Formats: sequence, C-alpha cells, structure tokens
Amino acid sequence: KQEVTQIPAALSVPEGENLVLNCSFTDSAIYNLQWFRQDPGKGLTSLLLIQSSQREQTSGRLNASLDKSSGRSTLYIAASQPGDSATYLCAVGWSGNTGKLIFGQGTTLQVKP
Amino acid sequence: DTAVSQTPKYLVTQMGNDKSIKCEQNLGHDTMYWYKQDSKKFLKIMFSYNNKELIINETVPNRFSPKSPDKAHLNLHINSLELGDSAVYFCASSVRGTAFFGSGTRLTVV
Repeated sequence: KQEVTQIPAALSVPEGENLVLNCSFTDSAIYNLQWFRQDPGKGLTSLLLIQSSQREQTSGRLNASLDKSSGRSTLYIAASQPGDSATYLCAVGWSGNTGKLIFGQGTTLQVKP
Repeated sequence: DTAVSQTPKYLVTQMGNDKSIKCEQNLGHDTMYWYKQDSKKFLKIMFSYNNKELIINETVPNRFSPKSPDKAHLNLHINSLELGDSAVYFCASSVRGTAFFGSGTRLTVV
C-alpha cells in the first residue's frame, strides 16, 4: 500500500533557526514528490517539485532532498521567519499518467519572533 | 488572474440537500482533480479527469458525481448530503506532475 508519513506533526522554533521537516513514503518507485505550504483557511501553494531522477531542488531559503532508496524526503528551511509559520505537506506521485498525489498528514510549523 | 478557481468558498447546507461546487482552471491543463480535506487536515483524492474523461474514482460514495463539461471545468455535485460530508473540498489541475490547487470550498452540513 502506498503511504506517506510526515514527522513531526507539529514543530515550534525560534526565529532564525534552520529546521528540517521529514517525509517518508512506502514503495520507492515514485514518479515525483511535491512539497506544499498551506496557511490556515487557505489553499495549497506548491513550494518545490522533485522528479524521481532528481536528488534535490532549491528555491530561496528552501531546499528539498529526495532519497528514493530509503523512501525519504526532507524539506530544509534556512533562517526561519515568523512568516514561514504554516502547515507543510508532502505529496508523492506514483503514477505519471494520472498525476494522482498521496499526501502526508502535514507538519504544522510555528516560528516564534 | 486566479489559476484554479472554485466556487463557492463557503457552503452551509442542511442534511439531505443536493449541492454543487464549481471549478475552473485557466492554465490549459488536461488533468483536473477533486480532493477532500477532512477535519484532521488529511487530504485525499476523490476523482480525476483527463480531457473530460474520468480516470480516477477513489471509492467515493455514488452520491458524489463529478462532471467535466470541458477540460477547463470540473464540477462536483453531491446528492443527499450527510453530516460526514462536512470537509474542505479542493479542486486541482496538473501538468507534467506539478499540481496547482484552488483555495478550497468549506462545506458544512448541519
């Protein structure tokens, strides 16, 4: 069964800290992996997309890595800011044809000023 | 210009009613989806259409019926609403594996 797990469920850090969010998945034969951000009461914003042939992607202070063999991805946030406070969702696509995504439960991040 | 837009944003209705949620994307994508986010914030796919053809139906009760009049629109009709249908419903579209989501419709059944 294809499943995605995110740990921890919640994280609180002081402003300025570097932090890592974890995502693990069963079945290493993935097509791609996408990290999303969701603010309370809002939709999902795509942060980074990693194709199965890639090992990492970077956008500004965000870096996402992918290790298919161990079934893991990490989202690294450098120099965290209060504006980074949100829920971060990891989603895995196992089928390129359908584009279906299976989501983890998310990590809710609070960055304290 | 909103890429994936869905209406209404909020919907409060009584049990037993029938309601529809509309979704439109102006990205030119062939594939569109409906996802449901439950009270624990867990997102799960319900349906997917590719160029107006149903390609995914994830064991959703047949009270839920998607309709795609053209590849830019995917509407969701729900019959005989139940309390357990209360959730946030997200529409999405994708191209080459990258998904774009609408802002969601919060459905509350009372």
